[in-house]
Amino acid sequence: EVQLVQSGAEVKKPGESLRISCKGSGYSFTSYWISWVRQMPGKGLEWMGRIDPSDSYTNYSPSFQGHVTISADKSISTAYLQWSSLKASDTAMYYCARRSVDITYFDYWGQGTLVTVSS
Amino acid sequence: NFMLTQPHSVSESPGKTVTISCTGSSGSIASNYVQWYQQRPGSAPTTVIYEDNQRPSGVPDRFSGSIDSSSNSASLTISGLKTEDEADYYCQSYDSSNREVFGGGTKLTVL
Repeated sequence: EVQLVQSGAEVKKPGESLRISCKGSGYSFTSYWISWVRQMPGKGLEWMGRIDPSDSYTNYSPSFQGHVTISADKSISTAYLQWSSLKASDTAMYYCARRSVDITYFDYWGQGTLVTVSS
Repeated sequence: NFMLTQPHSVSESPGKTVTISCTGSSGSIASNYVQWYQQRPGSAPTTVIYEDNQRPSGVPDRFSGSIDSSSNSASLTISGLKTEDEADYYCQSYDSSNREVFGGGTKLTVL
């Protein structure tokens, strides 16, 4: 069974760093790209960027380039989304999702990780 | 930047048919595939249409997708509406750099 399992909810203060994770199982992790999608409270979906775990090539939305870092460790089938200095405006639900060159849509999604940034 | 525009909300009665539009800001929406995702409150999105008009297994044929090049738009049509169809629906396509772009989402209310 294909699964993307994300790390648990986080509560952080402004200025703190954070890394959340997305672990894939039930498939060949390096055969699918992992994207991260932000959903701010009461708002829509925003694509942040993706990584190809086979070579760690990344592609970011211009809106998120330089604000977050996407990485992956293929040895443990896990992708990451990282912030070096959180802001209150980073408060959101974050989803990971997979697709490939051949599968042109997000066929599996993680359950989401709620990040709350508050002083 | 390439953008997809959707109506904020639509509503219709059970048993009726509703259509949600998704208009591309530039270029031809027919140049890249359009997907549609359903998101119920408190849940992750799921795919209801991919590659313009394809349904994943398990999605009922009440859901259909189409492209209208003349209006540079895609549409999601749901027929025989059920109360369980009440959700937010998002279209998604790609920009010129093969980066995913989501529409702003449409809240469907089944009255």
